[in-house]
Amino acid sequence: EVQLVESGGGLIQPGGSLRLSCAASGFTVSSNYMNWVRQAPGKGLEWVSVIYSGDTTFYADSVKGRFTISRDNSKDMVYLQMNSLRAEDTAIYYCARSYRFDPWGQGTLVTVSS
Amino acid sequence: DIQMTQSPSSLSASVGDRVTITCRASQNIGTYLNWFQQKPGKAPKLLIYAASSLQSGVPSRFSGSGSGTDFTLTISSLQPEDFATYYCQQSYSTPITFGGGTKVEIK
Repeated sequence: EVQLVESGGGLIQPGGSLRLSCAASGFTVSSNYMNWVRQAPGKGLEWVSVIYSGDTTFYADSVKGRFTISRDNSKDMVYLQMNSLRAEDTAIYYCARSYRFDPWGQGTLVTVSS
Repeated sequence: DIQMTQSPSSLSASVGDRVTITCRASQNIGTYLNWFQQKPGKAPKLLIYAASSLQSGVPSRFSGSGSGTDFTLTISSLQPEDFATYYCQQSYSTPITFGGGTKVEIK
């Protein structure tokens, strides 16, 4: 079964850092492009970042220079390193596979607050 | 950036109704258009990809159409489990962008 499981969320103070993880099973991350998408409380979906199979990466303007996407092919893991966190980064963060964005993980909640 | 405009933002419908949701892109995106369903507290779920291809396991009452800038998601006969929020998304270019969502509620 193809599955994604996110972890690493939590409560963090403004200016802090957090690393999210996305564990893939049923497929290899090396041959897929992998996305992060977030959803602020009560709001819509916002694409955050993508890493292509050739390791090319792209970011939303709102996180560029602060967030870094990476992956470990040997572990079938994808990561999102988040630095200089702001209150407006508070959201559920999901990982999703490929240009079809299928499947999605269950999400991990990041709360940025003092 | 490509803007995705969904309409309506919400609608009320009854079981058995035919429901249509539209999505307009600010520029030509060909058929690089996906539709998702999201229920409260759950992750989004892919319904339609490439504008009109039904994802495996999704009921055939869901269909998608369109190309270029104008797209439609149709639910032919609304079922109780279809009450949810629906999002369109363009995957033509980065930044990938989503529509604002359409909440389908029970009348």
